[in-house]
Amino acid sequence: NAGVMQNPRHLVRRRGQEARLRCSPMKGHSHVYWYRQLPEEGLKFMVYLQKENIIDESGMPKERFSAEFPKEGPSILRIQQVVRGDSAAYFCASSRGGENYGYTFGSGTRLTVV
Amino acid sequence: QQPVQSPQAVILREGEDAVINCSSSKALYSVHWYRQKHGEAPVFLMILLKGGEQKGHEKISASFNEKKQQSSLYLTASQLSYSGTYFCGTPWAGNEKLTFGTGTRLTIIP
Repeated sequence: NAGVMQNPRHLVRRRGQEARLRCSPMKGHSHVYWYRQLPEEGLKFMVYLQKENIIDESGMPKERFSAEFPKEGPSILRIQQVVRGDSAAYFCASSRGGENYGYTFGSGTRLTVV
Repeated sequence: QQPVQSPQAVILREGEDAVINCSSSKALYSVHWYRQKHGEAPVFLMILLKGGEQKGHEKISASFNEKKQQSSLYLTASQLSYSGTYFCGTPWAGNEKLTFGTGTRLTIIP
């Protein structure tokens, strides 16, 4: 059981470039959640997806950010025209769904915008 | 807006006990607890589903007081490996996304 796989682990982008973060959930998990974490801070919710559906995107900025979880392949968090303030750790978590199950987190992608 | 944890940070010697509290301004239907070590991903510890429920995980246990809208995590005879930041999380929005608390940094020293 490979767990939640995120890649890349580290990503450096220049201001104005695009960042694509990938997340493959655990086998058997159909719910994916993206969180953002600044150094020494907490986990801020961004978006909750199930296959081909965005369930809740209330935490995601309206501009430049988008997420998808296609029928085939990993979930993608896309940040267009990155700015320095986008620098953070982005964690993906997956679950089976239902109130009895906790989240399994991936190792995160550390995005640095230079 | 998010659940508030207390204390924000605590330093203990090995073998001492700790209590971490998670308080909510909204009704709590369930509470999750996670531990995150520096530079690593959060790891699921336990979930409490019912008011009055108590659960244990080795020397780490938790309680959930639905009426008081709070949960507490108890760490007994702490070990160096318990160091990290502890987060509570709760499904506030009526769907399954978790809103995490402010976090409690626990440092265990020899």
